[in-house]
Amino acid sequence: DTGVSQDPRHKITKRGQNVTFRCDPISEHNRLYWYRQTLGQGPEFLTYFQNEAQLEKSRLLSDRFSAERPKGSFSTLEIQRTEQGDSAMYLCASSLMTSQETQYFGPGTRLLVL
Amino acid sequence: KNQVEQSPQSLIILEGKNCTLQCNYTVSPFSNLRWYKQDTGRGPVSLTIMTFSENTKSNGRYTATLDADTKQSSLHITASQLSDSASYICVVTYTGNMLTFGGGTRLMVKP
Repeated sequence: DTGVSQDPRHKITKRGQNVTFRCDPISEHNRLYWYRQTLGQGPEFLTYFQNEAQLEKSRLLSDRFSAERPKGSFSTLEIQRTEQGDSAMYLCASSLMTSQETQYFGPGTRLLVL
Repeated sequence: KNQVEQSPQSLIILEGKNCTLQCNYTVSPFSNLRWYKQDTGRGPVSLTIMTFSENTKSNGRYTATLDADTKQSSLHITASQLSDSASYICVVTYTGNMLTFGGGTRLMVKP
């Protein structure tokens, strides 16, 4: 257990529905990242926050995806109008901004869109 | 384009044997290289980290090497155990905190 928690661990939804995932980082960590991982592949970067500010977004993050970190602590990732191609593991990681920062990953939320 | 390539994609070894996993990268600017272990259905966990000036780093039975000139790294696992069965992901950091992940090597250790 790295100290990063994600909820839910699994989500099954029908195409077209909206889903929201939550990530609780390690409490003193000021950076929070979202990644997507498909089977047999490494994680792909989606977006990251430094405190409340969303500093970078990947072009993978279509306009159906939105992430928030309103108080600089927990974060949510919402996917609107889900598509079957959204089926993946969504990983959250947190880190403390240092010269050799280490990202600590949560267990992930596995999404299946039917 | 920043890329990290790993080989082999999958590997099966017998318990107690050694193995070496390979990683080639074309990432710039380079900050550091890490090896992560990811158990099935779990998030990745960092094993080792090496900066540009470090050639080798050990963590128990795991030893990572880095050749920054050829942009290659390896992860050597000695005296493998059943619990080593996992995916091993090579991750290169650029611009301080952004990560580029390899596709991973899926290792299975059989009794």
